[in-house]
Amino acid sequence: EVQLVESGGGLVQPGGSLRLSCSASGFTFSNYEMHWVRQAPGKGLEYVSSISSNGDTTYYADSLKGRFTISRDNSKNTLYLQMSSLRTEDTAIYYCVHGYFFDNWGQGTLVTVSS
Amino acid sequence: DVVMTQSPLTLPVTLGQPASISCRSSQSLVYSDGHIYLSWFQQRPGQSPRRLIYKVSKRDSGVPDRFSGSGSGSDFTLKISRVEAEDVGVYYCMQGAQRPRTFGQGTKVEIK
Repeated sequence: EVQLVESGGGLVQPGGSLRLSCSASGFTFSNYEMHWVRQAPGKGLEYVSSISSNGDTTYYADSLKGRFTISRDNSKNTLYLQMSSLRTEDTAIYYCVHGYFFDNWGQGTLVTVSS
Repeated sequence: DVVMTQSPLTLPVTLGQPASISCRSSQSLVYSDGHIYLSWFQQRPGQSPRRLIYKVSKRDSGVPDRFSGSGSGSDFTLKISRVEAEDVGVYYCMQGAQRPRTFGQGTKVEIK
């Protein structure tokens, strides 16, 4: 069974940084593209970023380029999202998603950007 | 970016009656391999999204057969043949043909 467990969320001040992690199990992590998707309170789903199976290729939502960095460690079965220069509008639940077709989703981790 | 437009945004339905959600893309979703990469996701209250349908009409394992997807080019539909109480939630379409991936705004299904 695919399991995705996000961590690293919390309260951060505007302008601050945070690194999210996603621990994956139940599948061969190094074979799959992975993604981050976020959802602001009471809002819809917003695509954030993707990374190829070997980590060589990354993709970002245009609005986030330069502030967020996706990475992965296939030896640790872990996906990361480094977020910097955080803004209040980055407040959201951040979901880790497995598979090219967004097959499976984690439970999410809440990031709150507030002073 | 490809814009995904869903309608209606809110769908009141009667238990046991059919429901239909439309999703239109601003560009064709036919990929270079000939496949159409359009998926549907269900998000029940308080839960993470769950994929129901991929490649327009392929149902995921465990998804009841009252859910069906159809469409072509840039016009797609998710149908629920007979709505049950557990179907309450928000439904999203997503295109996987172009980067970045994009989602529709979501359609909230509620019981009348």
